[in-house]
Amino acid sequence: EAQVTQNPRYLITVTGKKLTVTCSQNMNHEYMSWYRQDPGLGLRQIYYSMNVEVTDKGDVPEGYKVSRKEKRNFPLILESPSPNQTSLYFCASSLTTSVLSEQYFGPGTRLTVT
Amino acid sequence: QQPVQSPQAVILREGEDAVINCSSSKALYSVHWYRQKHGEAPVFLMILLKGGEQKGHEKISASFNEKKQQSSLYLTASQLSYSGTYFCGSDSGNTPLVFGKGTRLSVIA
Repeated sequence: EAQVTQNPRYLITVTGKKLTVTCSQNMNHEYMSWYRQDPGLGLRQIYYSMNVEVTDKGDVPEGYKVSRKEKRNFPLILESPSPNQTSLYFCASSLTTSVLSEQYFGPGTRLTVT
Repeated sequence: QQPVQSPQAVILREGEDAVINCSSSKALYSVHWYRQKHGEAPVFLMILLKGGEQKGHEKISASFNEKKQQSSLYLTASQLSYSGTYFCGSDSGNTPLVFGKGTRLSVIA
């Protein structure tokens, strides 16, 4: 089944403890992206990647890192999480880098930082 | 810059129609629409291209007015399954899609 998977789905952690949220897609998509969703703010892009080894900042990149060493994986790294990073995170992928390509979203990761 | 969606929320009875608007301060090349049901991931509905025609998906259709830099999503004869939050994404050319804050639609029996 074609899908985007994220792990973990739920995570509660403490301030400063490094964490990684994994994202994987099995559709051979070129483009991958991370969003955070907060009440009343919609979907805001954190980072995106147009292909392997090519990443770029989105609208809210502060406090996050990403890497794209393989086409299928695009992990999101929080090196020193803070409470303001408590949010619902979505990974998404699309077939091409063209903005005309529809995006497929993962199921989401709900992160709480205390 | 995020596109502006209106209304922020709307409640409909089954069978009623609704319009959701999406406006941008920048010139638009395309507009994307997604729907997110409660507790789920956003799901793609449609893309409207500059100079393109109005598109439809089931009883949901949309238009794109390039001059006004806005798009409208039309939901006709709404069903309970239409409930969710609708997001528009604006494409101003060579930049990633930027999503609006969403419009929460509730359809009641």
